[in-house]
Amino acid sequence: RKEVEQDPGPFNVPEGATVAFNCTYSNSASQSFFWYRQDCRKEPKLLMSVYSSGNEDGRFTAQLNRASQYISLLIRDSKLSDSATYLCVVGPGYSTLTFGKGTMLLVSP
Amino acid sequence: EAGVAQSPRYKIIEKRQSVAFWCNPISGHATLYWYQQILGQGPKLLIQFQNNGVVDDSQLPKDRFSAERLKGVDSTLKIQPAKLEDSAVYLCASSAPGLAGGPSYNEQFFGPGTRLTVL
Repeated sequence: RKEVEQDPGPFNVPEGATVAFNCTYSNSASQSFFWYRQDCRKEPKLLMSVYSSGNEDGRFTAQLNRASQYISLLIRDSKLSDSATYLCVVGPGYSTLTFGKGTMLLVSP
Repeated sequence: EAGVAQSPRYKIIEKRQSVAFWCNPISGHATLYWYQQILGQGPKLLIQFQNNGVVDDSQLPKDRFSAERLKGVDSTLKIQPAKLEDSAVYLCASSAPGLAGGPSYNEQFFGPGTRLTVL
């Protein structure tokens, strides 16, 4: 099983739609979880951290399920500018972060 | 605040040649990372520095890749000799110190990357 697995997509959705991505991780000792966003031919940028209690930032909601070892990202009211690749990132304690391959989102007018 | 600087932005070389990349992290960031991102994949950590010491280099192909951060500020990554499969974007990132100056899970800030093509 890969350390961090994501559906590569692409997810094609119309503007205004709600879309959700899941990510699974293999290391049950993982303690840090993030979603990064990467635009085409650009560097990754932190979108949001993921906390055990779940967290929301505007139209974006992230949740963590430790028992099932998966992380989710929900985007409500999709905008054209949300088109990007979303990278799931997991860190096992005081060690390095592991990036998933990313899920591509394409939002169309 | 200036971001992470990398140079060159693009490099084309032939296989078996050598190449070096440079990174200057955000001022005050003790942790510096080098990642390799192959097209269609997520970034893969090559090496992580805490100040001028190596924290993790387990995925660095040490027969051909080397990296240094001698003064704990800027860093260079070298490939010698390059192979076709080294074609990728090489990303440098930095993060602020964690508690007591140790490893950090603070946000990683990435530079624009160096796109390497090996022919």
